[in-house]
Amino acid sequence: GESVGLHLPTLSVQEGDNSIINCAYSNSASDYFIWYKQESGKGPQFIIDIRSNMDKRQGQRVTVLLNKTVKHLSLQIAATQPGDSAVYFCADSDSGGYQKVTFGIGTKLQVIP
Amino acid sequence: DSGVTQTPKHLITATGQRVTLRCSPRSGDLSVYWYQQSLDQGLQFLIQYYNGEERAKGNILERFSAQQFPDLHSELNLSSLELGDSALYFCASSVGLGGGYNEQFFGPGTRLTVL
Repeated sequence: GESVGLHLPTLSVQEGDNSIINCAYSNSASDYFIWYKQESGKGPQFIIDIRSNMDKRQGQRVTVLLNKTVKHLSLQIAATQPGDSAVYFCADSDSGGYQKVTFGIGTKLQVIP
Repeated sequence: DSGVTQTPKHLITATGQRVTLRCSPRSGDLSVYWYQQSLDQGLQFLIQYYNGEERAKGNILERFSAQQFPDLHSELNLSSLELGDSALYFCASSVGLGGGYNEQFFGPGTRLTVL
């Protein structure tokens, strides 16, 4: 029979365009946020992180924006390349002694050459 | 290559059986984390060990157990396997205790198929 899988949100972007992937979190106590990239057949790979005392952090071609008021996180990828095609997860954790990291369901980014 | 190794890469077994998944963390990392990634649940945190001691527990079933040995490698034991246990199991490691403030490096995963 047909298997039922997790229906990931999918974002299709033309090569060279900018990508914006959004994420909502629910834990008001979360004070650390991470974006991971997972390519097919591989484990998640750290991209960029941000602490709750910041609104924005930039890396190489990536920028993370944090809006604590509405518990929203976004990842911006500049000049998207075919190698950026992957599933992107946001994750959050709180530092209150319990370091469990909670992952979102992920967004699949498809880069159209 | 993250430096985290997991064996085996693939595992096919039958319902009711028991399997052991193995993880070697990056050199120098003291924390090991186990995650389950299934089609209908996404990436779920199972358990964390730090320097041989259990430090945090997530959505880990009672049929599952883990341990971290003195050489810091870790094993995840899954028993009385059910069809729904079919998933990718990832191990991650980090330098310190803090799963949040310490970057976690993920292994390539073990794909478990329960028939």
